[in-house]
Amino acid sequence: QVQLVQSGAEVKKPGASVKVSCKASGYTFIDYYMHWVRQAPGQGFEWMGWVIPNSGGTNYAQKFQGRVTMTRDTSLSTAYMELNRLTSDDTAVYYCARGEVVTGLEYWGQGTPVTVSS
Amino acid sequence: EIVLTQSPGTLSLSPGERATLSCRASQSVSSSYFGWYQQKPGQGPRLLIYGASSRATGIPDRFSGSGSGTDFTLTISRLEPEDFAVYYCHQYGSSPLTFGGGTKVEIK
Repeated sequence: QVQLVQSGAEVKKPGASVKVSCKASGYTFIDYYMHWVRQAPGQGFEWMGWVIPNSGGTNYAQKFQGRVTMTRDTSLSTAYMELNRLTSDDTAVYYCARGEVVTGLEYWGQGTPVTVSS
Repeated sequence: EIVLTQSPGTLSLSPGERATLSCRASQSVSSSYFGWYQQKPGQGPRLLIYGASSRATGIPDRFSGSGSGTDFTLTISRLEPEDFAVYYCHQYGSSPLTFGGGTKVEIK
């Protein structure tokens, strides 16, 4: 079965960076885009971008351009999302989600809480 | 960017009642790339509907989706106790992907 297992909770200070991992299993990693979506406390979902595991190509939401980097390691079937210059507004649960043309984002990781606080 | 506006913000209903949730897009969305999610407290989202009207794997048939263009609807025919949650609409046909602000279905 498809599983996306993310790294654990993080606490960071303003100005720092965070890198979240997402290990995929149960399918061929390079066959599906990997998206990153975040949810601030009590808020809705915000799409951050995707990485194409096969090529490493990326597409970032304009809001995060210049501050986010999405990468992958095909040998580990793992995708990564790094967000720099953190502020308190980046406090959220970060999710990876497998993208598919027909069903969209059907499979999600369990989420990684990131807290930014001085 | 396609903005999705959900209504109502909160729906107060009793088990067994019918729930009708709406989502309006700021511009036309391909119905092939429109979906609905359910989220319960402390959990991640669960895909209910994709392609505007197709149920995801394992989703009971009391959930149905409809609509096209800029107006989409999620209907829960008879609410079960486990259906009280927050529901989000989502379009994935146009970058950036976007989500609605959510409708909370609460027990009356």
